[in-house]
Amino acid sequence: DTGVSQDPRHKITKRGQNVTFRCDPISEHNRLYWYRQTLGQGPEFLTYFQNEAQLEKSRLLSDRFSAERPKGSFSTLEIQRTEQGDSAMYLCASSLGQPGQPQHFGDGTRLSIL
Amino acid sequence: GENVEQHPSTLSVQEGDSAVIKCTYSDSASNYFPWYKQELGKRPQLIIDIRSNVGEKKDQRIAVTLNKTAKHFSLHITETQPEDSAVYFCAASTKGNEKLTFGTGTRLTIIP
Repeated sequence: DTGVSQDPRHKITKRGQNVTFRCDPISEHNRLYWYRQTLGQGPEFLTYFQNEAQLEKSRLLSDRFSAERPKGSFSTLEIQRTEQGDSAMYLCASSLGQPGQPQHFGDGTRLSIL
Repeated sequence: GENVEQHPSTLSVQEGDSAVIKCTYSDSASNYFPWYKQELGKRPQLIIDIRSNVGEKKDQRIAVTLNKTAKHFSLHITETQPEDSAVYFCAASTKGNEKLTFGTGTRLTIIP
C-alpha cells in the first residue's frame, strides 16, 4: 500500500500524559498536513509542512502541540499534558507541492483521553 | 479566514434517484474545491475536485458545479447506489495557502 500511513491507529491515555503520533506520506509528496476531526464534524486544519519547513500553524494548535518533519519525509505530532478536549481523530494528509494539488488522507489516529 | 457552510446535514434518497449537496464559501480568493467521502471509521477519500477556472466537472455518476459569483458549489450524484451511503464533506482552499477548510458534512443514506 503506497498511501498515507499513520501510527498508531488508536491511542488511549490518561489525562496529563504525553502522546506522539507518526505520519508517513506518499513518497513523492513534499507537502504534509495535520488535521483534527471530532465526532460529527469536518476535519480542522492544524499545521502543514513543505518538505521540512513548517509553513503554517492554526490557532487551534496550542503550545502543548508540536509537529516536526525533520528530514522532509515522515512527520510526528506530539501533544503534551493531554486534556479531555484533545480526544479526537488526528488525520494526516499529503500532496504534491504545486498549488491546488489533491490532498490524500491517512486512516488517522484516534486519541481517547481517560 | 475562510468559512464553508454545507447543506443539508442529512439526506435520504431512494436508490436510483439523484442526490445534491450544496456548499457556500466566504473567501472570494478560494480557488480549489474538493469533495471527500468518508465511510464510518475510515479515511476521507477524495471523490472529485474542481478549480475556479472551471464551472463544471463530471466523473461517471458524480459531478460538481461551481458558481464563483455566488460563491457556492454543489455535488451531484446520479443513479445512487447503496454503496454511496456515507458522509460527504466539501472543502475550499486558497492558492498560496493550501490548507483545506471543510464543511460540516452531509450524511447521505441510500434507501434500497
